[in-house]
Amino acid sequence: DAGVIQSPRHEVTEMGQEVTLRCKPISGHDYLFWYRQTMMRGLELLIYFNNNVPIDDSGMPEDRFSAKMPNASFSTLKIQPSEPRDSAVYFCASTVNQNTESFFGQGTRLTVV
Amino acid sequence: AQTVTQSQPEMSVQEAETVTLSCTYDTSESDYYLFWYKQPPSRQMILVIRQEAYKQQNATENRFSVNFQKAAKSFSLKISDSQLGDAAMYFCAYRSGDTLAGSYQLTFGKGTKLSVIP
Repeated sequence: DAGVIQSPRHEVTEMGQEVTLRCKPISGHDYLFWYRQTMMRGLELLIYFNNNVPIDDSGMPEDRFSAKMPNASFSTLKIQPSEPRDSAVYFCASTVNQNTESFFGQGTRLTVV
Repeated sequence: AQTVTQSQPEMSVQEAETVTLSCTYDTSESDYYLFWYKQPPSRQMILVIRQEAYKQQNATENRFSVNFQKAAKSFSLKISDSQLGDAAMYFCAYRSGDTLAGSYQLTFGKGTKLSVIP
């Protein structure tokens, strides 16, 4: 298996623009997580899905952020409109169940100018 | 809510020597999992080692071992025979063992940057 695949690896956008980050989890993994990493706050959970259903979105910072998982092999994280404070590395991770580790993608480095 | 604390923002070790990274956590749960992840400059998060709270025996993976002290809520990582490739950020993470609540997300510490001196 190719692991968790995220795209793009790097994204530079202007303030006010819409940004969409994409993730393909490992096949057979029922749980998908979106994390954000910043220098100030470290790694934080934004939202996670179980069998394509959002379970906990309490970490989503505000209404500008939304996430979807239309099927078992694809998820998106959208920021609209983007702001400079959204600049961070966004990770997607997946896992089979509680007894297994989470596997991470390589992250998307987002820069909003 | 659970919290994870890594009190050493940076550490350094001489190549071939041993280094220990500290991690403490706060939880009211009795069943949980603890992890150490490595993040090299490539940004990839790589699992180093995991520990189930119900296991008394400390986990070991080759040159990596943990000292798990459940009563003290401490989970340190020992790296033996340090190699240049060990240089990275190391994150301690906690996951609840409450299957009913379905809390599968990880709570991370702020990380320790490890440098290896040739």
